[in-house]
Amino acid sequence: DAEITQSPRHKITETGRQVTLACHQTWNHNNMFWYRQDLGHGLRLIHYSYGVHDTNKGEVSDGYSVSRSNTEDLPLTLESAASSQTSVYFCASSERPAGDEQFFGPGTRLTVL
Amino acid sequence: AQKVTQAQTEISVVEKEDVTLDCVYETRDTTYYLFWYKQPPSGELVFLIRRNSFDEQNEISGRYSWNFQKSTSSFNFTITASQVVDSAVYFCALNTGKLIFGQGTTLQVKP
Repeated sequence: DAEITQSPRHKITETGRQVTLACHQTWNHNNMFWYRQDLGHGLRLIHYSYGVHDTNKGEVSDGYSVSRSNTEDLPLTLESAASSQTSVYFCASSERPAGDEQFFGPGTRLTVL
Repeated sequence: AQKVTQAQTEISVVEKEDVTLDCVYETRDTTYYLFWYKQPPSGELVFLIRRNSFDEQNEISGRYSWNFQKSTSSFNFTITASQVVDSAVYFCALNTGKLIFGQGTTLQVKP
């Protein structure tokens, strides 16, 4: 069965360190998305990609970067982790950008000390 | 600007009560899609329904029903005869190319 996975599921890091969260999907979807979930804010879009070598900034992109070298993976990098980036991160993919449901990964809980 | 508002932060009901979760959206696009997702205590996001802007038919799926009214920019979700397993955070979302989520409504169903 097709799926979308994230790793690690839990991560504790220190302020200033670089952190990369992995996202891998086997749906063969062109469209992939990264969100963060914080209390009172729902899910907010960080970055998204409509295909290989395509990346776009979302609502809360400062301090984050992504790259898309193949269809299956969209890693999210925190260049210099800050305590404000403590959150739960969800990756998602979809067949079409707008009209289709997005399939979500299980989430990564990141704590920045 | 695109925006989704779920004014109810938390709702608590007793099992078997009916409950309606409100969702109001803003967009200037004429083509858009509306979604509801459920997030149970285990944390995953579960897709419940998708509705496009040209289809105002209400939908019923078992104990769940959705009322889409373009005139009031609302897409409300009703659970009939609620059960403890319905306890979760429910998100309404709007998609015009990017998915914009509301803040979520936490539903607690007490036995």
